Parts: sequence; C-alpha cells; structure tokens
Amino acid sequence: GAVVSQHPSRVICKSGTSVKIECRSLDFQATTMFWYRQFPKQSLMLMATSNEGSKATYEQGVEKDKFLINHASLTLSTLTVTSAHPEDSSFYICSAPKGLGTDTQYFGPGTRLTVL
Amino acid sequence: KNQVEQSPQSLIILEGKNCTLQCNYTVSPFSNLRWYKQDTGRGPVSLTIMTFSENTKSNGRYTATLDADTKQSSLHITASQLSDSASYICVVSAGGPDGNNDMRFGAGTRLTVKP
Repeated sequence: GAVVSQHPSRVICKSGTSVKIECRSLDFQATTMFWYRQFPKQSLMLMATSNEGSKATYEQGVEKDKFLINHASLTLSTLTVTSAHPEDSSFYICSAPKGLGTDTQYFGPGTRLTVL
Repeated sequence: KNQVEQSPQSLIILEGKNCTLQCNYTVSPFSNLRWYKQDTGRGPVSLTIMTFSENTKSNGRYTATLDADTKQSSLHITASQLSDSASYICVVSAGGPDGNNDMRFGAGTRLTVKP
C-alpha cells in the first residue's frame, strides 16, 4: 500500500489565490521530504528539500517566497503555492526516504494543479 | 547538460515482446541508481535500486543491470503487458553524506505497449 500520501490529488484555482498541498508519510517518520514539479512529458525537477524543525532548502531558481514549505511534523510537509499564476500549473510530487540509513525514496501520488 | 541521459525517448512495442531501456550517467561520485515506473498522472514507483557493487537486480519481469565502469544501466522488461505502458525514469544519486538527497533525474522513456 501507499506509504506517502498527498492531498489534494487535483486542484483548480483562480489566478492570484494560494494553494496548499500536503504530503504525509503514512507509517514512518521523515525528517526530510522532497518536493518536485513535473511539466508534461518532462522529468521530475527537484524544487526544495523540506526539513523538519528547520528551514527548507530550495534549489536554484525556485522562489522561496513563492513556494512556501512547512515541515510541521515528522509525518507532514506542506507546499503552499502563493499568488498562483497559470504558469504555476503543473504536477507537484513529494517524496520521503523511509528508514534510517536506507536510500529508497517513496513518492506520493502527486497533485495536479491547474491555475485558471 | 543533464547528468543522466535516457534512451530512447519513447518506445512502442507489441504486447508480449521484450524491450530494453538505457540510462547513461556522468554523476560522480556515484552512490546508487534507481529505476522508477511512473504511470500517467501518478507518482513514480520504485522498481529497482542498485549500488556500485551490484551488476544485476530483478523485480519480477523487470531486470536492471549496472556497469559502474562505463556508467551505464539498462532496464529490461520481459514479456511486456499492456500495464507496462508508462514512463520509466532513471535516477542516479551522488555519493557523500547527503547521498539521499542529491538525486539526478533522467528525462524518462515513454513506453507504450500495444495489443
């Protein structure tokens, strides 16, 4: 069964509004989670690393004030797309490594964001 | 330039046939290589993970190979099924203390299996 969940799976919003996406590890704790964006027919692009208890680490070119990340607990990270615009429309996916010392990332099912 | 190159970009095969997908990388130092299957509109699902010392790893009808010397990996799918239609992504992790989060993604190979 799924070990990482995302909510919502789909969201449609108006331009200028903010959208929050949740990523949860279901049966394990994750001090680190990762957020990706994927455009159609393209590969995953790492946006940021979410760290429980500290600030997120953003990849070059990703606006931290645009994409707010909060790692509220050991099982929950949220990505908020602020003042969304149509160009923010994309597939957003999170992942989390399970188990201390293991190197396997478990991906969430993704969230399809459409900004009108 | 992407450090992980996959080929072909897309592939169409008939149900029941075998196919092989390629992944070449320049990531260094190398920690591990993973193959993921991503159905349209879904998150990737891990198929195999291989470290430096592993040459072959199988998961059902999926067999991955790794040649760390030439920095090449392949994913072989045997007796393809319609449900194998998906994108297959090669992900290479760089070594070091943060090997878990220094991942390089290939662009993926889009496989279509036709009846």
